[in-house]
Amino acid sequence: EVQLVESGGGLVKPGGSLRLSCAASGFTFSSYSMNWVRQAPGKGLEWVSSISSSSSYIYYADSVKGRFTISRDNAKNSLYLQMNSLRAEDTAVYYCARVGSRGQDYWGQGTLVTVSS
Amino acid sequence: DIQMTQSPSSLSASVGDRVTITCQASQDISNYLNWYQQKPGKAPKLLIYDASNLETGVPSRFSGSGSGTDFTFTISSLQPEDIATYYCQQYDNLPSFTFGPGTKVDIK
Repeated sequence: EVQLVESGGGLVKPGGSLRLSCAASGFTFSSYSMNWVRQAPGKGLEWVSSISSSSSYIYYADSVKGRFTISRDNAKNSLYLQMNSLRAEDTAVYYCARVGSRGQDYWGQGTLVTVSS
Repeated sequence: DIQMTQSPSSLSASVGDRVTITCQASQDISNYLNWYQQKPGKAPKLLIYDASNLETGVPSRFSGSGSGTDFTFTISSLQPEDIATYYCQQYDNLPSFTFGPGTKVDIK
């Protein structure tokens, strides 16, 4: 069974940093690209970042470019999102999602990031 | 960048009703379109992929159609457990996985 479990969310002050993790199991993690997607409270879904299976290709939404860094450790079946210079508008539930031939086919349960003073 | 629009933004229907949601892309995305269901406090769940293919385990009352720029999502007979927000999402213009704004479905 495919499982994705996010962790690392919490309350952080504007300008602060946070590192999210996503632990994957139930599939060959090293064979799939992975995404981070976020959802602000009461709002819709926003793609944040993508990383290819071997980390060769990395992409970011304009809203986080230069502040967020996506990475992965295939030996540990883990995906990461380093978030720096956080702003109030980064407050959201952050989901990791597997990217298969059918697009984003499996999602984690999400982790809440709150940016507030 | 490709923009996705959905209509309506919300709807209220009776149990057993046929429900239809439309999604439009700002440019041709072929059939690279998914539909997701999201219940409150839960992660999105893939229902339809490649515009018209039913994900394994998803009830057959859900269906999708369309290609190019215009797409339709249908619930043939609305059930109480279908109360959720439904999102379309394109994956033709990678790496940006653009979502529609969502359609909130509830029971009348």
